[in-house]
Amino acid sequence: ELKVEQNPLFLSMQEGKNYTIYCNYSTTSDRLYWYRQDPGKSLESLFVLLSNGAVKQEGRLMASLDTKARLSTLHITAAVHDLSATYFCAGNAGGTSYGKLTFGQGTILTVHP
Amino acid sequence: GAVVSQHPSWVICKSGTSVKIECRSLDFQATTMFWYRQFPKQSLMLMATSNEGSKATYEQGVEKDKFLINHASLTLSTLTVTSAHPEDSSFYICSAPQSWQGHGYTFGSGTRLTVV
Repeated sequence: ELKVEQNPLFLSMQEGKNYTIYCNYSTTSDRLYWYRQDPGKSLESLFVLLSNGAVKQEGRLMASLDTKARLSTLHITAAVHDLSATYFCAGNAGGTSYGKLTFGQGTILTVHP
Repeated sequence: GAVVSQHPSWVICKSGTSVKIECRSLDFQATTMFWYRQFPKQSLMLMATSNEGSKATYEQGVEKDKFLINHASLTLSTLTVTSAHPEDSSFYICSAPQSWQGHGYTFGSGTRLTVV
C-alpha cells in the first residue's frame, strides 16, 4: 500500500525567502502530483511529474521527482503572500495511470510580510 | 478544459436525514469517479471508487450502507449520506481521471456538509 509523507506540515515563511517542501512515498508510484488548496475550496492542480528526473516550474514554484529516492520536492522561490495555502502531494499506485490517489498530510504554508 | 460540476456546494441537514451529493462531468465521460472526504485541517481520504454501471468499491472502514454511491451514467455519480449524524460533517470532494490526457485528475468544487 502506497504511503505518502510530507514535511514540514506547517511552514511559516517571510516574503522573499526560499523554502522546500518534501514528499516521500513508500512504493513505486506511476505519477506524482502536487496540488494547492485554499481554505474552503477544492484542489487546484499545480504539477504532474511523470518520470524520474522530471522538473516542472510555474512562477515561483518548482517541482521535481526522484523516483529512485522516492522523493518529490516543491521549491518556493521568493515567497509572496498569495502563495499562502495548503499544499498536497499525491501518488497513485497499483499499476494503472488512473488509479486512486494517496495524499500526503498536506503542508500549511503561511507567508508573512 | 474538463470540468466536474459538484452540487450542492454546502448543505446543512438534521441528524437522521439523508443528503445526496452530485458530481457531473460536463464535457467528458467519467467512467470512474473517486469520492474523498476531508475533515478540517486534515488530508483527503478516499472513501470509495465508483465505476459506471457497476458497484462501487469502498475503502476499508467506510460503511457502504451509510454512504451510498451510484454511477448510473457516464456523466453522473452521486453520493448519498444516509441517516446523517454530526460526525459525518465534513468536506466531500469527487474526482475523475483525465484519461484522455494520459494523466491527471479533475476535482469537483467540493460539498461542505454540516449535520446538526
